Amino acid sequence: DADVTQTPRNRITKTGKRIMLECSQTKGHDRMYWYRQDPGLGLRLIYYSFDVKDINKGEISDGYSVSRQAQAKFSLSLESAIPNQTALYFCATSDFPSTDTQYFGPGTRLTVL
Amino acid sequence: AQSVAQPEDQVNVAEGNPLTVKCTYSVSGNPYLFWYVQYPNRGLQFLLKYITGDNLVKGSYGFEAEFNKSQTSFHLKKPSALVSDSALYFCAVRVNTGFQKLVFGTGTRLLVSP
Repeated sequence: DADVTQTPRNRITKTGKRIMLECSQTKGHDRMYWYRQDPGLGLRLIYYSFDVKDINKGEISDGYSVSRQAQAKFSLSLESAIPNQTALYFCATSDFPSTDTQYFGPGTRLTVL
Repeated sequence: AQSVAQPEDQVNVAEGNPLTVKCTYSVSGNPYLFWYVQYPNRGLQFLLKYITGDNLVKGSYGFEAEFNKSQTSFHLKKPSALVSDSALYFCAVRVNTGFQKLVFGTGTRLLVSP
C-alpha cells in the first residue's frame, strides 16, 4: 500500500552495528505496528503503538526498540544487530475501530552478517 | 492460546480451476478472521474479513471465504484461478486480550500453473 512507506527497502549490515528502519504513513491512523517475517513462521509482532504516547512490546521485542516521533512516523531500531535478526520487516497501520483492517508497507529486507 | 493454522505450505492449481486455501482457528469468544495476500516484493494486502453476519464473505480480486463455526474453519476460495493469483496467502485472527492484535498463520503459497 503506497500510503505506508518504509526505508530502506534493503539493508545489509554487520553484527554489532546499530540500525534504524523507518516507517511513514499518510493514512492518518493512530495505530502502528512492526512485524518481522521469517520463512515458515508467518508474521510476528515486535512492537505496537496506539498513539504517540502509547508504545507497547509485542511477542518478540528483545533486541529491538522503537520510537513514535509523530502520528505518521514509527521507527524500529536494532541496537546491536545479530545474525538471527536477518528477516523481512513490515510496518503496518490500522484504522481501528473503524474496520480493524491493517495496511502494510512494502517491507525492509535486513541481512545481518 | 488463540491461533490460526494453515495446514498446507503450498497449494498447486491449474488456471481456470477452482482453488481453496485452508485455515482453521482456535479462539475464545467470537472470532474476527482475516485473509491477506502477499505478492513478491510487496507488503501484505487485505483481501477480506469476517466479523459477523453472512458466513460467505466476498473480497477483493474475486476471492471469497466461508466461515464455518462448527468446523472452526475459514477457507479462502475462488471459482476460477488465474496465474496472477500466485502469491503467499495469510490467514489471521484478531485476538481480544486488552489490545486487539492480529495473530497470523504461517502462510500458504499458492501456485497457479498456466
